[in-house]
Amino acid sequence: DTAVSQTPKYLVTQMGNDKSIKCEQNLGHDTMYWYKQDSKKFLKIMFSYNNKELIINETVPNRFSPKSPDKAHLNLHINSLELGDSAVYFCASSPLRGGDGDTGELFFGEGSRLTVL
Amino acid sequence: EDKVVQSPLSLVVHEGDTVTLNCSYEVTNFRSLLWYKQEKKAPTFLFMLTSSGIEKKSGRLSSILDKKELFSILNITATQTGDSAIYLCAVKSSGDKLTFGTGTRLAVRP
Repeated sequence: DTAVSQTPKYLVTQMGNDKSIKCEQNLGHDTMYWYKQDSKKFLKIMFSYNNKELIINETVPNRFSPKSPDKAHLNLHINSLELGDSAVYFCASSPLRGGDGDTGELFFGEGSRLTVL
Repeated sequence: EDKVVQSPLSLVVHEGDTVTLNCSYEVTNFRSLLWYKQEKKAPTFLFMLTSSGIEKKSGRLSSILDKKELFSILNITATQTGDSAIYLCAVKSSGDKLTFGTGTRLAVRP
């Protein structure tokens, strides 16, 4: 069974459109993240949620809105897509923040490659 | 702002060579340093280091952390073509934040 799963894996869309990427984890982790990886393979955190509560919100345009309906899901909605949004978006999860199980390790999904034309 | 710098950016070696990848960092409230390997898809976890001078080892891979000089190295001995990947260093600081370096792209030629 896939531990962290994202859909869709590939997304090609026009500028100005609105799109969503979904993420689910079955590891029982409390914390979930969205990372953006650019063409130079630089991974940068966008958001972090702990048990449905927003913890980290980096300098991301407000066209990006994460939503966590429960602690196993963290979806990313993007409005008015721009060319610069083209990237691979990785969802990740980790065990309880600061707890005994918190090794700092992230468990990544396989990524969603977004191409904006 | 937290900063993680990896070197070299890319490296080409032949099978059997030994490589050393470097990671230096400047973060507030350091908690741990992690190494990941990324092939075609998601990064996969290699090591987590929290204490200086204690080597972590897994097969041909090993890593060590120097918290005084603020760096870590990842060694791969007797490289194989399957070691070709991007190696990512990340540092965890307070506030549950993991900051990644730009990665080192390793290519191992037969």
